[in-house]
Amino acid sequence: QQQVKQSPQSLIVQKGGISIINCAYENTAFDYFPWYQQFPGKGPALLIAIRPDVSEKKEGRFTISFNKSAKQFSLHIMDSQPGDSATYFCAATLSSGYSTLTFGKGTMLLVSP
Amino acid sequence: GAVVSQHPSRVICKSGTSVKIECRSLDFQATTMFWYRQFPKKSLMLMATSNEGSKATYEQGVEKDKFLINHASLTLSTLTVTSAHPEDSSFYICSARDGRQGGAGELFFGEGSRLTVL
Repeated sequence: QQQVKQSPQSLIVQKGGISIINCAYENTAFDYFPWYQQFPGKGPALLIAIRPDVSEKKEGRFTISFNKSAKQFSLHIMDSQPGDSATYFCAATLSSGYSTLTFGKGTMLLVSP
Repeated sequence: GAVVSQHPSRVICKSGTSVKIECRSLDFQATTMFWYRQFPKKSLMLMATSNEGSKATYEQGVEKDKFLINHASLTLSTLTVTSAHPEDSSFYICSARDGRQGGAGELFFGEGSRLTVL
């Protein structure tokens, strides 16, 4: 079964610190790697995504680092804020066709004031 | 960004009744929609892939007669939980892929529907 392994399961970071969440995938055919942010009682919201032709993508305080040879990618949240406290899911998929996402198990992030 | 609307956001029903959840893509046509189930503090579990104009494809272990999926148009898919029981209580989330030409093929999610079966 295709898997995406995500770590850590939970994370506590002080306000202003850097939050780092890591994911590893198995299927080398995957070509689209999004991160989703989910608040309690809400659906996941697309945060940022990357394709394997680049090693890094930055949008504001959020950065994805991608290592194709290691089949790993990570989310960095700079200057973490209490409002960033949420569950983050990494995912992987084939961008063409009708493939759905293969999700990681999620990371519960708590940013302390 | 593309918007996926899901309704109702919360529903409480008695055991044995059926509940319908709607999922609409508001500004794009979605040939394919996906239905997920999420338990507390867990990841999303794919239940089925809904294809417009054809039968849904169910994941292993998901009862197709219990979770009826209809995708009658390019903007609407419905999930009906039939003869609901307390163990069906969960958070159900739909998603749709923006497959427009030139788009990145992102998957957008609805806000989810919290089902509580008494």
